[in-house]
Amino acid sequence: QKEVEQNSGPLSVPEGAIASLNCTYSDRGSQSFFWYRQYSGKSPELIMSIYSNGDKEDGRFTAQLNKASQYVSLLIRDSQPSDSATYLCADLTGANNLFFGTGTRLTVIP
Amino acid sequence: GAGVSQSPRYKVAKRGQDVALRCDPISGHVSLFWYQQALGQGPEFLTYFQNEAQLDKSGLPSDRFFAERPEGSVSTLKIQRTQQEDSAVYLCASSSLWDGDYGYTFGSGTRLTVV
Repeated sequence: QKEVEQNSGPLSVPEGAIASLNCTYSDRGSQSFFWYRQYSGKSPELIMSIYSNGDKEDGRFTAQLNKASQYVSLLIRDSQPSDSATYLCADLTGANNLFFGTGTRLTVIP
Repeated sequence: GAGVSQSPRYKVAKRGQDVALRCDPISGHVSLFWYQQALGQGPEFLTYFQNEAQLDKSGLPSDRFFAERPEGSVSTLKIQRTQQEDSAVYLCASSSLWDGDYGYTFGSGTRLTVV
């Protein structure tokens, strides 16, 4: 049974701090991973994709992938109240569809 | 269009009623996906089209659910004899077959409430 697991939270961090979001996956064959942000009542929007072991940085966001340990993480530096949302981790199945975790709710406290 | 368009935005159906949800993907996007998102959960895959071909329907929860994309653009998700457990947000996403990032673009969703 394929699984993508995330801590549902809520995760609360003060404004300006680093928020760390984690995700583990069960399928050793998974190659592509994605982080989506979803504001309440809105649709998911892609933040980052990562395919290779190591770090990938885009502005205040850094995605990290460790295939040996089967985990993916997202770091948000200098967190802002506007970052408060649910963050969804997903991997791409062999059938070319996204398999999502349940999401982690992040609250950035001003 | 500029984004993925879904209609209606909200739908209230009486139990046993049939409903049809529409998705208009980004122009030229070959791949189209339907997801179901229950409250507090991540989106769950329902079905996938590449052009007009339905390549994967393994996520459809029962034979009451049916999807089509007859001309390879607009897609309709139909739910027959709706049940309360069908209440959820139904999300449509599309992507270009040649998008190396596989960055699916989601529509705003249709919130279905079965009463």
